[in-house]
Amino acid sequence: DTAVSQTPKYLVTQMGNDKSIKCEQNLGHDTMYWYKQDSKKFLKIMFSYNNKELIINETVPNRFSPKSPDKAHLNLHINSLELGDSAVYFCASSHPAGLQYFGPGTRLTVT
Amino acid sequence: GEDVEQSLFLSVREGDSSVINCTYTDSSSTYLYWYKQEPGAGLQLLTYIFSNMDMKQDQRLTVLLNKKDKHLSLRIADTQTGDSAIYFCAESIQGGATNKLIFGTGTLLAVQP
Repeated sequence: DTAVSQTPKYLVTQMGNDKSIKCEQNLGHDTMYWYKQDSKKFLKIMFSYNNKELIINETVPNRFSPKSPDKAHLNLHINSLELGDSAVYFCASSHPAGLQYFGPGTRLTVT
Repeated sequence: GEDVEQSLFLSVREGDSSVINCTYTDSSSTYLYWYKQEPGAGLQLLTYIFSNMDMKQDQRLTVLLNKKDKHLSLRIADTQTGDSAIYFCAESIQGGATNKLIFGTGTLLAVQP
């Protein structure tokens, strides 16, 4: 019974390509998030959505576009991938202002 | 500003207690969290404490919160080799209808047999 799931787990692609990462939660939460963990393990929030509405956008380049088709899904589309986008991307979900539960992460490698 | 700091590395012997420390800056945080990340794995919510509490105990884990000094600690009793991982503290900051987690740099705990 996976609470927060992400696909794919690994993604290797070339610079300039466009790719998407999908996230789904079955916890009944209204709020979903994307976090980025860089090569030094530093974690930083990118976006949050509440009830399909964008709430937080932490100065992320507009090549990154989150999309929430419904409350249980939050996808991340990245255009024109750059070397610096290589990282682990974590999805999370919570009740509004509640405990956040994380997915297993997607390791993106841009060559 | 939003800043959470941790020491980078802690080495202990199996069976000893481990204490991982964290300082944060935002006094309006509602929750403070500890997450565990094993190599190549995701983030596991280990424990949390409400900002109006001083202490929380959960089996081998004890969380202490000093709001005056904005200091959080995690004590692991009888540390085992399976406890080897990176431990992140995080503060929760309200951001409109949601909140966001500000993470520390992570402390790598190495448990020697």
